[in-house]
Amino acid sequence: GQQLNQSPQSMFIQEGEDVSMNCTSSSIFNTWLWYKQDPGEGPVLLIALYKAGELTSNGRLTAQFGITRKDSFLNISASIPSDVGIYFCAGQNRDDKIIFGKGTRLHILP
Amino acid sequence: NAGVTQTPKFRVLKTGQSMTLLCAQDMNHEYMYWYRQDPGMGLRLIHYSVGEGTTAKGEVPDGYNVSRLKKQNFLLGLESAAPSQTSVYFCASSRLEWETQYFGPGTRLLVL
Repeated sequence: GQQLNQSPQSMFIQEGEDVSMNCTSSSIFNTWLWYKQDPGEGPVLLIALYKAGELTSNGRLTAQFGITRKDSFLNISASIPSDVGIYFCAGQNRDDKIIFGKGTRLHILP
Repeated sequence: NAGVTQTPKFRVLKTGQSMTLLCAQDMNHEYMYWYRQDPGMGLRLIHYSVGEGTTAKGEVPDGYNVSRLKKQNFLLGLESAAPSQTSVYFCASSRLEWETQYFGPGTRLLVL
C-alpha cells in the first residue's frame, strides 16, 4: 500500500534555529497536510496544501507541496520552546484513505 | 464549539474485558474516524464512517467494532480487550470525505 517516509525521525536543535523536515512517497497525492501533536494531545492541523508547487505560510511555519506531488516540506523559522512536539505529514488521494507519516519529534535544547 | 471530544480520557482494562470509547463532534461533520497511535507507528486508521448509520473498515479493524447511530457520535467498542490493544486512540471528523480532519484529545487505554 501507499507509504509516507517522514524524515528526520527526531531533531535536537537550539532555540532560535530554523528547522526543516520532509515527507516523501512513491505515490502521488492530491493534498498534503501537516499536523503538530503536543504531548498528551491530539494532532492539530498546521497547514494544508492542495496544489503542486504551492507554498503556504502560517506564521513562522512554511510548507511546500512538491512539484512531483510525491513530497512535501515543512520549515519552521526561529524556533521557540513551544515548537516542541511531534510533526506529522499526511497525504490524501481522492481514491484512497488519508495516509500519515510516522512523525518527526522536535526537541529544543535550552 | 467544543470541536471533537472523547470519553474517557484514560482507562485501564483487564484482558477479556469490554469497553466503549465515545467520540462526539459539534461541527456537523459527515465523516468520522477512529485511529490508534502506537510508538513509532504513527496513526493507523481502525474504522471510519461516511455518515449516520454507516461504518467501514480501515487499516487495522480486527478486534474493534464501531457504530454511528447519531451523526454527532461515533462509538468504538472492544468486545474482549487484549494487551495488543494498549494504545492511544484518537477520533477525528471532517466535513467532506477525506478532507482536512480535526482530532480529539485522545483516549489512553492500557490493557493488562
